[in-house]
Amino acid sequence: AQSVTQLGSHVSVSEGALVLLRCNYSSSVPPYLFWYVQYPNQGLQLLLKYTSAATLVKGINGFEAEFKKSETSFHLTKPSAHMSDAAEYFCAVWGGSNYKLTFGKGTLLTVNP
Amino acid sequence: IAGITQAPTSQILAAGRRMTLRCTQDMRHNAMYWYRQDLGLGLRLIHYSNTAGTTGKGEVPDGYSVSRANTDDFPLTLASAVPSQTSVYFCASSGGPHSYNEQFFGPGTRLTVL
Repeated sequence: AQSVTQLGSHVSVSEGALVLLRCNYSSSVPPYLFWYVQYPNQGLQLLLKYTSAATLVKGINGFEAEFKKSETSFHLTKPSAHMSDAAEYFCAVWGGSNYKLTFGKGTLLTVNP
Repeated sequence: IAGITQAPTSQILAAGRRMTLRCTQDMRHNAMYWYRQDLGLGLRLIHYSNTAGTTGKGEVPDGYSVSRANTDDFPLTLASAVPSQTSVYFCASSGGPHSYNEQFFGPGTRLTVL
């Protein structure tokens, strides 16, 4: 069985500031990990994924995430926030024998001018 | 069609009525999923299908049914809608080659049950 915890349901940053969205997972097998973004009134779009290759994963729109097995974490970062980054972000883990993903409850990112 | 389409985009439904939400994908993915998204609860899996002809129950299956007659289509039916089924419903698919179980999402259906 697997689970995901996203720390902080709402994160607010200033434009140009560092973005850090936290995700911790549990999995009984080596996991695949994903970050998705959801813009208002839209479906989810894949930002990046970890599939047991490089531990530092680069995604779209300048986001990246680092897989840390010792900390069971997969935090999402972006050096400089842009107004267009305002959205809800979901972390997800796949760690089983079926196709199902387990999602976190999401973190709403607000970017202030 | 490119990706996943869902219909209708939104619907207002009287309680007790039957409703089918449609989902079609053109990526030849094996697996398909239905989620509901509610404020503060994130995405919860309703039903899934690992391949055409098979379905399974997710986290919140009560009051919903699905079928998977072919690879492309995965309709979700509410036999007798209740107000607690007011939500945004997302269909997703996965299982293409080298996908590592990445899921692709449709645009969603916003359902209001009165």
